[in-house]
Amino acid sequence: ETGVTQTPRHLVMGMTNKKSLKCEQHLGHNAMYWYKQSAKKPLELMFVYNFKEQTENNSVPSRFSPECPNSSHLFLHLHTLQPEDSALYLCASSPLLGAAGELFFGEGSRLTVL
Amino acid sequence: QKEVEQNSGPLSVPEGAIASLNCTYSDRGSQSFFWYRQYSGKSPELIMSIYSNGDKEDGRFTAQLNKASQYVSLLIRDSQPSDSATYLCAVYKTSYDKVIFGPGTSLSVIP
Repeated sequence: ETGVTQTPRHLVMGMTNKKSLKCEQHLGHNAMYWYKQSAKKPLELMFVYNFKEQTENNSVPSRFSPECPNSSHLFLHLHTLQPEDSALYLCASSPLLGAAGELFFGEGSRLTVL
Repeated sequence: QKEVEQNSGPLSVPEGAIASLNCTYSDRGSQSFFWYRQYSGKSPELIMSIYSNGDKEDGRFTAQLNKASQYVSLLIRDSQPSDSATYLCAVYKTSYDKVIFGPGTSLSVIP
């Protein structure tokens, strides 16, 4: 596989469920990101990991919990979500040196909270 | 003041014309600037990066940066219907290791 892969592509969950989004990158990058994209809103940065260490938590509610076990994998654990959390969740990776800031996105996980 | 601002559009241009997309940013410490293209139902795709003042050309695309005015633009020459998409301006701040996106400008190229 190449690029950035996200699973699942679509997820429907109730407010009391617990689920996880998974992201895997095959680009050898050292930085990984979670973004949220809602209708009519700019992309919102949620979390940043550099070399597996979290360097940014952009005031995200605790019902979203990230995990980065290594530089190639990133998870977003979801629990007791609200309907307003329904959105497209995008994972991205980036090299840290030379082309830092150039993001490569996965296809996204479309989340619907009932 | 929002960190990255763009005209939301929609911007409509006829096929073959030049499309001009504009972006302003608020943080003078910003160091790297990017344009992403997002087709409906798809994820954003990087199309241009620019790091120093002036113009950078890549095929039909030209990015322009003016740090004194805190202004970035993207010109698309000979616009094609396949260029119809939302164009996102993004700014990278090394000190914060963050890539901040603008709201995007919707471009429609009319055949």
